[in-house]
Amino acid sequence: DTGVSQDPRHKITKRGQNVTFRCDPISEHNRLYWYRQTLGQGPEFLTYFQNEAQLEKSRLLSDRFSAERPKGSFSTLEIQRTEQGDSAMYLCASSLATGFTYNEQFFGPGTRLTVL
Amino acid sequence: KQEVTQIPAALSVPEGENLVLNCSFTDSAIYNLQWFRQDPGKGLTSLLLIQSSQREQTSGRLNASLDKSSGRSTLYIAASQPGDSATYLCAVDNYGQNFVFGPGTRLSVLP
Repeated sequence: DTGVSQDPRHKITKRGQNVTFRCDPISEHNRLYWYRQTLGQGPEFLTYFQNEAQLEKSRLLSDRFSAERPKGSFSTLEIQRTEQGDSAMYLCASSLATGFTYNEQFFGPGTRLTVL
Repeated sequence: KQEVTQIPAALSVPEGENLVLNCSFTDSAIYNLQWFRQDPGKGLTSLLLIQSSQREQTSGRLNASLDKSSGRSTLYIAASQPGDSATYLCAVDNYGQNFVFGPGTRLSVLP
């Protein structure tokens, strides 16, 4: 296992279309996070999973956004009816959170979304 | 609500200089603090993680310190090299709920 992977790396879509991104975490990691990053800013937290349970969602995650992590492995982030303001880099991270670890996050390369 | 700031926003130094990047946070009840590096158009690379009970961590030419009571962390880079040019981000972990990131410091090391 070489790290967190994301697919696709780039996505160009027209306003109003739906898009789905995939994240494959480091295999033994139980937590998976989604972030959004716009140019010149730090990543903003969207949501995270512990195994298959979605435990926290940001107010940034409008009802057009949905995330899943079936079986606690890979995760998908879907954006419905995309808007130009959704254009950003979408980053996924994973971590191993136990009583003996300190939740160090490891990030994937990101998916850059452009909404025309 | 946790807020994280980083100073300076950008920094340009000649090769070989030692430098300090600053990170401040408003809520001292954190689980840990992590420093990352990000190259243009890429994901984040973890540099150092400091647990809330620790004061500092070192890795090679990097040293990060944490003062929870004052809400501050610094990243010290010794003998800077052109390959260190990147954006450096700090993030605080609010007890595993989420990470709050600062806006980053854009570093340029000139040959």
